[in-house]
Amino acid sequence: TQLLEQSPQFLSIQEGENLTVYCNSSSVFSSLQWYRQEPGEGPVLLVTVVTGGEVKKLKRLTFQFGDARKDSSLHITAAQPGDTGLYLCAGAWPQGGSEKLVFGKGTKLTVNP
Amino acid sequence: ETGVTQTPRHLVMGMTNKKSLKCEQHLGHNAMYWYKQSAKKPLELMFVYNFKEQTENNSVPSRFSPECPNSSHLFLHLHTLQPEDSALYLCASSPGTGLYTGELFFGEGSRLTVL
Repeated sequence: TQLLEQSPQFLSIQEGENLTVYCNSSSVFSSLQWYRQEPGEGPVLLVTVVTGGEVKKLKRLTFQFGDARKDSSLHITAAQPGDTGLYLCAGAWPQGGSEKLVFGKGTKLTVNP
Repeated sequence: ETGVTQTPRHLVMGMTNKKSLKCEQHLGHNAMYWYKQSAKKPLELMFVYNFKEQTENNSVPSRFSPECPNSSHLFLHLHTLQPEDSALYLCASSPGTGLYTGELFFGEGSRLTVL
C-alpha cells in the first residue's frame, strides 16, 4: 500500500508570513500533484511535478519534488487570506500498464488577516 | 454550464432510504470517478469509469451502486446506508483513457449525512 504523509495537519498563520508544507512517502512516484480545496468546493489542481529535483513556481507558491521522487514540498511566500484551504498532495505510480493515484490527508491552512 | 456539476449539494437520509447522487461533466472527458472524503482520512477512490465501462471498484460495499449511462453522466445510487457513510462524495473526470492521466477535475461535492 502506497502511503503519503502530509505535515503539518493544521497550520494557522498571519497574513504576510511564509510557510512550508510537506508530503512524504517511502514509495517512489512517477509524478506528484498538489491540489487546493477551498471550503465548500472540490479540489483544484495547482501543479504536477514529474522529474526528481524539479522546482515549479506559481506566483507566490513554490513546489519542489525530491531528488528520489519520494517527497515534495510546497512553500508559500507572503501568505494571503485567499490562500486558506486544504492542500492535498497526490502521488501517481505505475500499475498494470496504467497509473494509480493516492492522496494524502492534507494540510489545512488558515491565513488570518 | 462548464466543468463538473454535482447534485444535490447536500443530502440527509435515513438508513432505510434510497437516494441518488448525480454528476455531469461538460469537458468532453473519457473517464469519470467517484471519491469519498471523510474527516481525518485521505480521499478514497470508490469507482472508475472509462468510456462508460467500469474499470475499477475499490472494494466498495454493495449499498453503493454506480451507474454511468454515457461518458458525460455518472450516478451513485445509495441504499440502506450506515451513519459511517456520512461524508463528502466527490465526482471527478479526466481526459485520458488510462486510469489516471494528468489532471483530475473535481465537482463541488455532495455532502451526505446518514441519520
